[in-house]
Amino acid sequence: EPEVTQTPSHQVTQMGQEVILRCVPISNHLYFYWYRQILGQKVEFLVSFYNNEISEKSEIFDDQFSVERPDGSNFTLKIRSTKLEDSAMYFCASSPLGGRSHEQYFGPGTRLTVT
Amino acid sequence: GDSVTQMEGPVTLSEEAFLTINCTYTATGYPSLFWYVQYPGEGLQLLLKATKADDKGSNKGFEATYRKETTSFHLEKGSVQVSDSAVYFCALSHGSSNTGKLIFGQGTTLQVKP
Repeated sequence: EPEVTQTPSHQVTQMGQEVILRCVPISNHLYFYWYRQILGQKVEFLVSFYNNEISEKSEIFDDQFSVERPDGSNFTLKIRSTKLEDSAMYFCASSPLGGRSHEQYFGPGTRLTVT
Repeated sequence: GDSVTQMEGPVTLSEEAFLTINCTYTATGYPSLFWYVQYPGEGLQLLLKATKADDKGSNKGFEATYRKETTSFHLEKGSVQVSDSAVYFCALSHGSSNTGKLIFGQGTTLQVKP
């Protein structure tokens, strides 16, 4: 069964460093998402991506964040200069269609630790 | 803004016990409602969904009914198994969002003991 994959499973980085989190969505899906979950808090929407551009983003997704689909299979989240508060589990998701009633398929997550 | 509230966990039950995990929401209009489950080391998986009032979603013995009058979507299962131990997330997707972004509750950890 097709699944969303994410690498790495755990990333440790120093404050101020750039990190790139990678995701491979399900191949025929059209909508892609990033969410994050700070330890002990809710899963929060960061950004959605469709047709090679951002379709919606949250207040969390500021200029330090960017997303890219560089080669038609990978979907990446870049954090330019990490802060301690960026430490979280980051989930990638994809969906065959957008809209409010369609299932999103999630990857297992990347745990980012900023020291 | 839109929000989802779940009962605090962890919930600890014995095998074959009845499960209820409460979920209430705040949203304008007519959101779709979801329950996702996360097993250890895995991503979130859709468990069930309901897209309009009075719809009942069901899967693997779990069910939840979209109650607009009480803005609730409580998850129930008649007889839990050890394999149901996981974290359960209630979520909504608002109609005004073309992309279908999900707004999650805080998650409820279920532990089922043999």
